[in-house]
Amino acid sequence: DQQVKQNSPSLSVQEGRISILNCDYTNSMFDYFLWYKKYPAEGPTFLISISSIKDKNEDGRFTVFLNKSAKHLSLHIVPSQPGDSAVYFCAASDGSEKLVFGKGTKLTVNP
Amino acid sequence: KAGVTQTPRYLIKTRGQQVTLSCSPISGHRSVSWYQQTPGQGLQFLFEYFSETQRNKGNFPGRFSGRQFSNSRSEMNVSTLELGDSALYLCASSFSGSGSYNEQFFGPGTRLTVL
Repeated sequence: DQQVKQNSPSLSVQEGRISILNCDYTNSMFDYFLWYKKYPAEGPTFLISISSIKDKNEDGRFTVFLNKSAKHLSLHIVPSQPGDSAVYFCAASDGSEKLVFGKGTKLTVNP
Repeated sequence: KAGVTQTPRYLIKTRGQQVTLSCSPISGHRSVSWYQQTPGQGLQFLFEYFSETQRNKGNFPGRFSGRQFSNSRSEMNVSTLELGDSALYLCASSFSGSGSYNEQFFGPGTRLTVL
């Protein structure tokens, strides 16, 4: 049973436009959410996180939105750059160090 | 500050053998977690160690085990290897212990191939 779902396996956007990556979860015990970016043959790199007591967190070009009632979060990248092309993973925690990951969305930013 | 390091980076073993993977966390981090990444299942949590004790455990068979040393370095062992154990094994460290959630930082992984 997948507790964290990323329903879009891939996304393609033009350079300079907005990239929106989506993630849904089912476990109400999750109270912390993270986004990681992964290049082939490398470990995931932490991007941005959000606590369940917030609905938005910004860090430069990256913004994460959390809708607790819908059990949905999204990552916005504005403006998108070719170097952002990677696989993005959404992850959730119930407060422990055990992270539950989605299966990832491959983002391609075209020049 | 140096990142999480994992050794070896690549490993080839045959079915039935055992393997030990090593992870050195970021200096000052006391929690080390292990994950398995496969194309079909994605990233799955194996276990987490904190202060030399296993604190959290995922849904993997007992063939998968680990330990943590007093310097926070951790090892993971897989016994009686099966073909399905072929995967990228990722180690992540976090500061932990502060009362609030701390982000985990990942190493580059060990690519294990079982023939």
